[in-house]
Amino acid sequence: AQSVSQHNHHVILSEAASLELGCNYSYGGTVNLFWYVQYPGQHLQLLLKYFSGDPLVKGIKGFEAEFIKSKFSFNLRKPSVQWSDTAEYFCAVTPGSNDYKLSFGAGTTVTVRA
Amino acid sequence: DGGITQSPKYLFRKEGQNVTLSCEQNLNHDAMYWYRQDPGQGLRLIYYSQIVNDFQKGDIAEGYSVSREKKESFPLTVTSAQKNPTAFYLCASRQQNSGNTIYFGEGSWLTVV
Repeated sequence: AQSVSQHNHHVILSEAASLELGCNYSYGGTVNLFWYVQYPGQHLQLLLKYFSGDPLVKGIKGFEAEFIKSKFSFNLRKPSVQWSDTAEYFCAVTPGSNDYKLSFGAGTTVTVRA
Repeated sequence: DGGITQSPKYLFRKEGQNVTLSCEQNLNHDAMYWYRQDPGQGLRLIYYSQIVNDFQKGDIAEGYSVSREKKESFPLTVTSAQKNPTAFYLCASRQQNSGNTIYFGEGSWLTVV
């Protein structure tokens, strides 16, 4: 069973629109959370990560994510998207204890129209 | 340069044959992973290993086998029991206490005909 759920399979929006991608996980206890991006024809790269502390995490390229423990969620946001944000976005979770398992969500394809 | 090397990059095999994909890392990472990436399904975890001579099944281990005889090597065998082996396979590694950053290999395309 998938440990990480991404709600949106494909999101289409216009430039300057705001983006929010949902991610929920099923682990209890301490978790480490990640968002990765894969641009067309390229490999995965890390956008941001959360281990502890401030639940609002800032990443690269203007992205941020908020960890809400009570909702088991780690949603990704960007206030104003650009055409270059067209990519596939993956949420990933590791239990954060002595278990090294690292599971990814199914991904959300984001298409930004100019 | 430090990194992860996967080979071969492209591989064609006949149905019913086992095939082994190589993954080598020189990052001195404890943990290594194998994922397959299929359109619409993201990265699905096949096997992972936290230490030499130990490995754990991931979410889709059936039809696959691995070994971890050396810290730097984590080969994946796709057996004839895997019902849909044609896919893109990614190897990865990370160090649990070093920022948890995961490093990926370039991937291997396996086509079974």
